[in-house]
Amino acid sequence: GAVVSQHPSWVICKSGTSVKIECRSLDFQATTMFWYRQFPKQSLMLMATSNEGSKATYEQGVEKDKFLINHASLTLSTLTVTSAHPEDSSFYICSAKFPGQGSYTFGSGTRLTVV
Amino acid sequence: DAKTTQPPSMDCAEGRAANLPCNHSTISGNEYVYWYRQIHSQGPQYIIHGLKNNETNEMASLIITEDRKSSTLILPHATLRDTAVYYCIAYDYKLSFGAGTTVTVRA
Repeated sequence: GAVVSQHPSWVICKSGTSVKIECRSLDFQATTMFWYRQFPKQSLMLMATSNEGSKATYEQGVEKDKFLINHASLTLSTLTVTSAHPEDSSFYICSAKFPGQGSYTFGSGTRLTVV
Repeated sequence: DAKTTQPPSMDCAEGRAANLPCNHSTISGNEYVYWYRQIHSQGPQYIIHGLKNNETNEMASLIITEDRKSSTLILPHATLRDTAVYYCIAYDYKLSFGAGTTVTVRA
């Protein structure tokens, strides 16, 4: 079945630094990937749609300059949290749609802690 | 995207069927109903989806009313491992998650 690999699974960084999270589709090509953020005891919030070879589409209220998304290949999308602050601490999850299937597959998530 | 409404929580007994309701009264004709679940600290897991007809797979059954304003996810024989937050989503081109239903399966 379709597998989406997300790396790292957890990361701790200092305030002011940048962190990159990778999302890879294994054994399939994904022209579109989605990035979500989830705070404790809350639902997933869609942050942006990542499109291969073009600019990402951000949801209202999500800072484009803070959450940089790069979808440079059909199997890899990256989310970079720039100048991280403690309030950016969250669970970040990506997803991709396997071609020909109706379902979206999610990665296992990355827990970011900014100290 | 059409919004969905689900009960915040429900309990069910292990081995019994779990029926999870979802209201989507403003769903449009081309919006599918998707169900996902999320076990604590993991990424969401796909369960099932449908447009008009009832659907069944190895995990669950999806019953959609004729007017498509509501649906029910049925877990035929709930196990302790089915304890999770279940999300009902009305989808056209992106998955937007609501609050979901926290399902607790009790022995």
